[in-house]
Amino acid sequence: ILNVEQSPQSLHVQEGDSTNFTCSFPSSNFYALHWYRWETAKSPEALFVMTLNGDEKKKGRISATLNTKEGYSYLYIKGSQPEDSATYLCAPRNAGNMLTFGGGTRLMVKP
Amino acid sequence: KAGVTQTPRYLIKTRGQQVTLSCSPISGHRSVSWYQQTPGQGLQFLFEYFSETQRNKGNFPGRFSGRQFSNSRSEMNVSTLELGDSALYLCASSIRDRDRPLTDTQYFGPGTRLTVL
Repeated sequence: ILNVEQSPQSLHVQEGDSTNFTCSFPSSNFYALHWYRWETAKSPEALFVMTLNGDEKKKGRISATLNTKEGYSYLYIKGSQPEDSATYLCAPRNAGNMLTFGGGTRLMVKP
Repeated sequence: KAGVTQTPRYLIKTRGQQVTLSCSPISGHRSVSWYQQTPGQGLQFLFEYFSETQRNKGNFPGRFSGRQFSNSRSEMNVSTLELGDSALYLCASSIRDRDRPLTDTQYFGPGTRLTVL
């Protein structure tokens, strides 16, 4: 069972602020890392799938980096907007093809 | 393309009863995974079905079981319900690309909220 930690647990920012969260996971037996955004009353929405050390992905104002050697990934949001308010989940995938989710970072963006 | 659908959306049961939840994957997706989400434990993997066979199983008691049909639709069953089974149950489907099996995206349904009284 993978030990996946996300920090911070929650974050309150003002509209326009840039922010970042961390996902830490065991670096052994790593195959891929998934990031999801989960808005209240909606389904989790896939953001990125990352596999290679040094990988960087971008989708609009959201980007992510991956360090598989030390076992962490950062998610950045540039110029946060109220619609970015959600819980952001990371999930590493091992050889068993299971996604193990972290506890998530709950982001609240105040207008 | 229609997304992942789950039925029912809400369910109230009493302790000792059993329940069956249904998940219809995105058309063309052959893998269905089930997750349980509780406030204390977060999202936890239950099991994955692919080509009507259980491929992976999480750390849950045998009261939790599932199956997959030839059209890839999946059902999850919980027998002898306990209060602690109250949770949001999510299913997710993916293509399960033979060439890139570990990087295909899982698409989640809206979930079934089960309350056990």
